[in-house]
Amino acid sequence: DAKTTQPPSMDCAEGRAANLPCNHSTISGNEYVYWYRQIHSQGPQYIIHGLKNNETNEMASLIITEDRKSSTLILPHATLRDTAVYYCIVRVARRGIQGAQKLVFGQGTRLTINP
Amino acid sequence: KAGVTQTPRYLIKTRGQQVTLSCSPISGHRSVSWYQQTPGQGLQFLFEYFSETQRNKGNFPGRFSGRQFSNSRSEMNVSTLELGDSALYLCASSSAPTGARGGYTFGSGTRLTVV
Repeated sequence: DAKTTQPPSMDCAEGRAANLPCNHSTISGNEYVYWYRQIHSQGPQYIIHGLKNNETNEMASLIITEDRKSSTLILPHATLRDTAVYYCIVRVARRGIQGAQKLVFGQGTRLTINP
Repeated sequence: KAGVTQTPRYLIKTRGQQVTLSCSPISGHRSVSWYQQTPGQGLQFLFEYFSETQRNKGNFPGRFSGRQFSNSRSEMNVSTLELGDSALYLCASSSAPTGARGGYTFGSGTRLTVV
């Protein structure tokens, strides 16, 4: 079962910041928070991941609370092309083959960007 | 560089038949994972291969099998197809078996319809 809880849907106006919340209250100390998105009929696309510090890349920012029980993905200037289902996943990330870790997807948040 | 390539893109099969799907990972990636996506169950992990060895397996019946070749290309096979096997089958590749600290790169999937 997925270890995260996300709202099923959200709307955001084009050009505004989209803030997608995720609860992961049972996260372990060695588990990272990953975000993927899936645009209709395509495979999921990796967005960003983090452990406990806030992270930023060219696509988004990830804000993780100090207790690590929740996080927020921020798309700073949403465009129509950001309309997709966004998945928040927690998993251990480690090098080597000490037990392969699968991605456990929940139902995600369907984000609709409105013009 | 080329992304993850899955063939064929669409497939229609009859109940009881078998099917083989193919996945070519990103050049240099040695890990290939397979996922099934249906409207009812969402994205579910099937199995992961690294260096021609299955490293992890999801909770699917034995009719679902896979293999990986020395060039890292992977195939999955479903025997004795059932209507419920109709789904989008996604392949993801990574440079390490656990996706290292980054993300997996997904292909666009093969949409299988069983009639």
